[in-house]
Amino acid sequence: DGGITQSPKYLFRKEGQNVTLSCEQNLNHDAMYWYRQDPGQGLRLIYYSQIVNDFQKGDIAEGYSVSREKKESFPLTVTSAQKNPTAFYLCASSIDTELIKPQHFGDGTRLSIL
Amino acid sequence: KQEVTQIPAALSVPEGENLVLNCSFTDSAIYNLQWFRQDPGKGLTSLLLIQSSQREQTSGRLNASLDKSSGRSTLYIAASQPGDSATYLCAAHDSSYKLIFGSGTRLLVRP
Repeated sequence: DGGITQSPKYLFRKEGQNVTLSCEQNLNHDAMYWYRQDPGQGLRLIYYSQIVNDFQKGDIAEGYSVSREKKESFPLTVTSAQKNPTAFYLCASSIDTELIKPQHFGDGTRLSIL
Repeated sequence: KQEVTQIPAALSVPEGENLVLNCSFTDSAIYNLQWFRQDPGKGLTSLLLIQSSQREQTSGRLNASLDKSSGRSTLYIAASQPGDSATYLCAAHDSSYKLIFGSGTRLLVRP
């Protein structure tokens, strides 16, 4: 089955620690995205990538970093500079960044502070 | 700057009722509008995507309409079922590569 796999489902971060959230897709999609969702709110874009080895900041990139070394993988690192990391993180992909194509989402990673 | 608003924030209806969820956006220069469903603790499932040149899209009991001139989209759910209980999010695709999301409508369909 084609889809997007996010891991882990739950993640806990200690003070001053960097943590990495995994996102893998086997849909052969060029574009991938990371969103953050806070309770009762919509999603906000952190980073997106249109093609391998290229990525751009979204609206709330501060305190986060990404890489796109492979087409199927787009890991997100939450650094110690992100002072309020507790949220639900969602990864998405689309066949390309053409605006008529829908985005498909993974099941998310819930990050909490210890 | 594009802003997307969804009203109401929560809705509770008896099973079998037809219902309408509302989504409004401030900038009519959108390329498409997408409706998603989110179950608790889960990711988003795409329900319908309406391109800017279209007026509506239908899938089963769901019908989504788009009126760019008034900055509105509606999601119509016919003959609601308890399994329809979830949060419904709309998102507008503007001239950048970003989806701008509303905060969602939490729907409860009572048996």
